[in-house]
Amino acid sequence: DAGVIQSPRHEVTEMGQEVTLRCKPISGHNSLFWYRQTMMRGLELLIYFNNNVPIDDSGMPEDRFSAKMPNASFSTLKIQPSEPRDSAVYFCASSLPGSGRATDTQYFGPGTRLTVL
Amino acid sequence: DAKTTQPPSMDCAEGRAANLPCNHSTISGNEYVYWYRQIHSQGPQYIIHGLKNNETNEMASLIITEDRKSSTLILPHATLRDTAVYYCIAGTSYDKVIFGPGTSLSVIP
Repeated sequence: DAGVIQSPRHEVTEMGQEVTLRCKPISGHNSLFWYRQTMMRGLELLIYFNNNVPIDDSGMPEDRFSAKMPNASFSTLKIQPSEPRDSAVYFCASSLPGSGRATDTQYFGPGTRLTVL
Repeated sequence: DAKTTQPPSMDCAEGRAANLPCNHSTISGNEYVYWYRQIHSQGPQYIIHGLKNNETNEMASLIITEDRKSSTLILPHATLRDTAVYYCIAGTSYDKVIFGPGTSLSVIP
């Protein structure tokens, strides 16, 4: 299995531009997560989907951020308009939920390093 | 969700066992303890998890105290490639993993 695939790996853009990050989860996994990592705030959960449905988006910083999962094999995280403070590494992860209340193992992609000038 | 407390950093000599502690005193009875690590510039990687019993896999061992208020991740023979930030996560709700600052482990030659 190729693991979680993210693209692009690096993105440099100017303030005010739209940015779209892409994620392909591991085949068969039905939960998908978007995280953001910065030196100041560490690794933060932004949003997660279960069976393509957004379950919790309380970590999305503001209306400039939106995420979609049109099907089981693809998700996007969009920032419009982008700002310099959005500069961070964005990770996508997927998991195959089990039973009960156990937190299930998440498999992370390599991340997208975003720089907003 | 239970909060975890880990030392911010630790050193370990190459070839020796690395013992990484984690306190999770507010964990409830049916909540698991998970360990992940993040090597520089990579995404976090799952290591091991447990509920009550000690667990072992090809990467590490997890020792959970009888009262479940703390645990220790053991890397039996640390190598330079084990240098990473190690995250202990406990008491999270279904399908959510909340990462704290973790322990930065440096394996020294």
